[in-house]
Formats: sequence, structure tokens, C-alpha cells
Amino acid sequence: NAGVTQTPKFQVLKTGQSMTLQCAQDMNHEYMSWYRQDPGMGLRLIHYSVGAGITDQGEVPNGYNVSRSTTEDFPLRLLSAAPSQTSVYFCASSYSSAGKGVDAEAFFGQGTRLTVV
Amino acid sequence: RKEVEQDPGPFNVPEGATVAFNCTYSNSASQSFFWYRQDCRKEPKLLMSVYSSGNEDGRFTAQLNRASQYISLLIRDSKLSDSATYLCVVNRPGSARQLTFGSGTQLTVLP
Repeated sequence: NAGVTQTPKFQVLKTGQSMTLQCAQDMNHEYMSWYRQDPGMGLRLIHYSVGAGITDQGEVPNGYNVSRSTTEDFPLRLLSAAPSQTSVYFCASSYSSAGKGVDAEAFFGQGTRLTVV
Repeated sequence: RKEVEQDPGPFNVPEGATVAFNCTYSNSASQSFFWYRQDCRKEPKLLMSVYSSGNEDGRFTAQLNRASQYISLLIRDSKLSDSATYLCVVNRPGSARQLTFGSGTQLTVLP
């Protein structure tokens, strides 16, 4: 199993450009999320999905769109890149822990380092 | 107040030392607690879940104090390979898979 795969690993964009960060998982997990990590701020949730066709906003959704047409894929779209979106982006997936009483482990992709100039 | 607060460190300790990290969380209804480890420029990986009764995994011991909304991680007999950033993670009640991350505590184990 590859786990969670993110592409690209590095990207430089000009202000105003758009792009899509790809995320795929092969573990048949229901739940997928996108986070951004900035120095001193920890990981912040951008958008998440509890299953194919269902998405919702997290803590910092502005400037980003997501869709979940299949269980495996959860792309993140930057609509019009801004320097404030320079960050490291992580995609994560996790499985249902119904009945266990605790949330399950989240598995992360290797991250995408995005610079907007 | 941040939802999850950690001492950012850095903690610089010699090999073999015992080191403890603390974390506080603001939402008393949180039910799930974790410690993740993140190596430099890598993705976070689960170190251990934290259970109400406390739990141990080799050299690592995690404790939860619900009354004080406090989580701890103890590392005994530190190894050079323990050098990393340790993230305290708490779920956000009522929402599926929304985890809230502390900003991390940096540990460097010195030879």
C-alpha cells in the first residue's frame, strides 16, 4: 500500500495563478482532510470530507476549494494564489472508529511545499 | 486562548535523560487525544493515543488529566533518534475527524 500520496512535492506559483494539489489514498478510508502548516502555528484544517460527495469547511477555508468525487481522491484547488498561501500543505486520511469511542489515527501524505511569489 | 497549547521549547537534553512535555486543551468535551511526532520537513506520524487510564509504549508514557484538561508525554532514556517535534492533538467535539493540533514542542537529544 502506498498510503496517502500527495503531488506535487514542491511548487512555486505567481500571485493570481490557480492550481490543484492532488491527494490520493489507497486505504479505503472514509475521512480525508487538508491542513496547512505555518511556522509557530501548528496544522490548521482547511477542508475535510467524511465520504465521497460530502465536503465541509475547516478553520481556514478561504481561497481554497475541494471536491470528493471518489473515496480515493481529495484534490485541493487554489483559486487565485496569494503570498499568504505560502505554506506546507498536508493531506490526511483516517478510518471510522465507530464503536471504539475514540477517533482513529490520521495518516498523512508527505506534504506539498508551496511558495507564492 | 488557543484550543491546544504546548510549550514550544526547544528542549535540549543529553542522551539518556528523561524529558516531559505538557499540553493543555480548552474544550472539556474533547474525547480523543494523541501525541504525534514530526521530523524536520516531514509529515506528522502517530506516536501514541492517550487513554484516560494513561498508557505506556516502551520508553514513552502518556497521561491524561481530564479535570485539569492536561495531557503529558514522558520520554525515558532519550535517544538521538527521539529528536523531533512532538505535536499534541485533540479532537474537536461533535465534528467528524476534526483534529486540533498544538504548535508542537521541539526536542533535540544531544550526544
